[in-house]
Amino acid sequence: DAGVIQSPRHEVTEMGQEVTLRCKPISGHDYLFWYRQTMMRGLELLIYFNNNVPIDDSGMPEDRFSAKMPNASFSTLKIQPSEPRDSAVYFCASRWDVGQPQHFGDGTRLSIL
Amino acid sequence: SQQGEEDPQALSIQEGENATMNCSYKTSINNLQWYRQNSGRGLVHLILIRSNEREKHSGRLRVTLDTSKKSSSLLITASRAADTASYFCATQGAQKLVFGQGTRLTINP
Repeated sequence: DAGVIQSPRHEVTEMGQEVTLRCKPISGHDYLFWYRQTMMRGLELLIYFNNNVPIDDSGMPEDRFSAKMPNASFSTLKIQPSEPRDSAVYFCASRWDVGQPQHFGDGTRLSIL
Repeated sequence: SQQGEEDPQALSIQEGENATMNCSYKTSINNLQWYRQNSGRGLVHLILIRSNEREKHSGRLRVTLDTSKKSSSLLITASRAADTASYFCATQGAQKLVFGQGTRLTINP
């Protein structure tokens, strides 16, 4: 079975540029999560969706961040404009139902210069 | 703020020895999960223990949960070099999973 697929794996861009991260969850999973991982702050939940609807975006750092899930098999996390402090590894995860394990993609390592 | 706090932050042992990692948390939970993360990869689910369970086994893994003390432990028996990774506990509330900062485990050959 294909796992959670994220693209790109690495992204290096200049500050001020728009960054779009992509995620394809596991088929049949109703929940999708976006996390950010840094050495200083660990793994932080940014936003999660249930049946393509955003449920909790309280972890989104500021208005520069936005996430969409236009259908059950695709989600994007966008940063516009990007800043150096956004540099981190961004993970997407999905799960079938509440109380079930989450399945993570291999992440996007984002570097903002 | 982080719900789970792992202890120790780093652990280095010889291959073949057992490794024990601990996790403490603050609020009530539905379940507690342990994940492994190899360098440069995503987190991989290891084991889930529900709030009404006290112990669970999976291969060389043994997890305990003490809800009265709000703590859990992960034991890896007969460690192997391939067990070198970071290990995270995560507490499940109503909907969200909240991760601790992790324990960095190094197995020396």
